[in-house]
Amino acid sequence: KAGVTQTPRYLIKTRGQQVTLSCSPISGHRSVSWYQQTPGQGLQFLFEYFSETQRNKGNFPGRFSGRQFSNSRSEMNVSTLELGDSALYLCASSIAGGAYEQYFGPGTRLTVT
Amino acid sequence: AQSVTQPDIHITVSEGASLELRCNYSYGATPYLFWYVQSPGQGLQLLLKYFSGDTLVQGIKGFEAEFKRSQSSFNLRKPSVHWSDAAEYFCAVGPYSGGGADGLTFGKGTHLIIQP
Repeated sequence: KAGVTQTPRYLIKTRGQQVTLSCSPISGHRSVSWYQQTPGQGLQFLFEYFSETQRNKGNFPGRFSGRQFSNSRSEMNVSTLELGDSALYLCASSIAGGAYEQYFGPGTRLTVT
Repeated sequence: AQSVTQPDIHITVSEGASLELRCNYSYGATPYLFWYVQSPGQGLQLLLKYFSGDTLVQGIKGFEAEFKRSQSSFNLRKPSVHWSDAAEYFCAVGPYSGGGADGLTFGKGTHLIIQP
């Protein structure tokens, strides 16, 4: 099976802009979670989608949003970018979320200037 | 709230030597525990997981981990490290199993350096 794919792999944006990142989960997986990884805060949970519904959300401002499509692909959007949003954004797919193990994609490296 | 502590930020081990990476967790119920490895510029790869049952779990690449409830620990071990094991290792707990789906809570990671 193909693994989790994320596009784009690298992105440079300017403060105030918005950005959309995409994630395609492993075939048959219905849960997609997003994480932000920074040197200072480490890995932090953003949100999880299952069957096109957001099931849970981490402690991030409303500028961070996401959605999931009927084919389980997911996008996350960050509006009004701030310098502190520069990070590696990781997507993880799981058969059904919950207790099932999560498999991570390679990430999208976002740099905000 | 759940939390994970990896006390060692950096560990240096000689190639061929044994390895133990420490992980302590705080969790309100029976935890689901994971170890992931991340190479530079890569995503996270799952090494092993503990859900229930045998407290010694085997993973990929020759790694194993032991769950000790009394110590709230889930230490990762490998009998003989290879240069290719140099990477960042993350211990994680969760997600919450009681309905709903919190994300994984990660430790800050341990950077493993292999000396020739």
